[in-house]
Amino acid sequence: DQQVKQNSPSLSVQEGRISILNCDYTNSMFDYFLWYKKYPAEGPTFLISISSIKDKNEDGRFTVFLNKSAKHLSLHIVPSQPGDSAVYFCAGVTGGFKTIFGAGTRLFVKA
Amino acid sequence: DTGVSQNPRHKITKRGQNVTFRCDPISEHNRLYWYRQTLGQGPEFLTYFQNEAQLEKSRLLSDRFSAERPKGSFSTLEIQRTEQGDSAMYLCASSLAGEKLFFGSGTQLSVL
Repeated sequence: DQQVKQNSPSLSVQEGRISILNCDYTNSMFDYFLWYKKYPAEGPTFLISISSIKDKNEDGRFTVFLNKSAKHLSLHIVPSQPGDSAVYFCAGVTGGFKTIFGAGTRLFVKA
Repeated sequence: DTGVSQNPRHKITKRGQNVTFRCDPISEHNRLYWYRQTLGQGPEFLTYFQNEAQLEKSRLLSDRFSAERPKGSFSTLEIQRTEQGDSAMYLCASSLAGEKLFFGSGTQLSVL
């Protein structure tokens, strides 16, 4: 069962524009949602998180929005930079420890 | 840099052989996780340790897989009688508490 879904395998944006990555979930028991970024030949690295009781969290160029009624979250990157090109994973945490990942979205930022 | 360390980085083995991977977490982290990732998919939860206690195992973890974390420090993941379907990236992660995981670079397993 896919508890976290990222329906867009890839996204291409121009440098300086906004990147919007989307994620849907089915498990209402998630306590937190996180976004991880992954470069080739490296493990995922934490980017930003949001508690299930919040609807927005911002950290520099990165903002995560949570819409609990729609069971949807999104990551906004503004402005996008070529170094942001990577695979982005959406994840939910349940039970205080178990992190469930989506399949990822590959972001290409063109210079 | 004292991040999560995994060895080996790559492992090629023949079907039916046993393999063992090692993970050294960040030293002060009491939680340790193993994940598996295949091409085009996100990391898939395998098992979780708090200190030396293995508190959860995924149903996906067949009895050919065993993980240990003696003394609550490093961990090993062993796969017995490997099958071609075991080919994947095996990721280890650690955390102190809370939701954020720190991942190692993974061990890429290829079963021929």
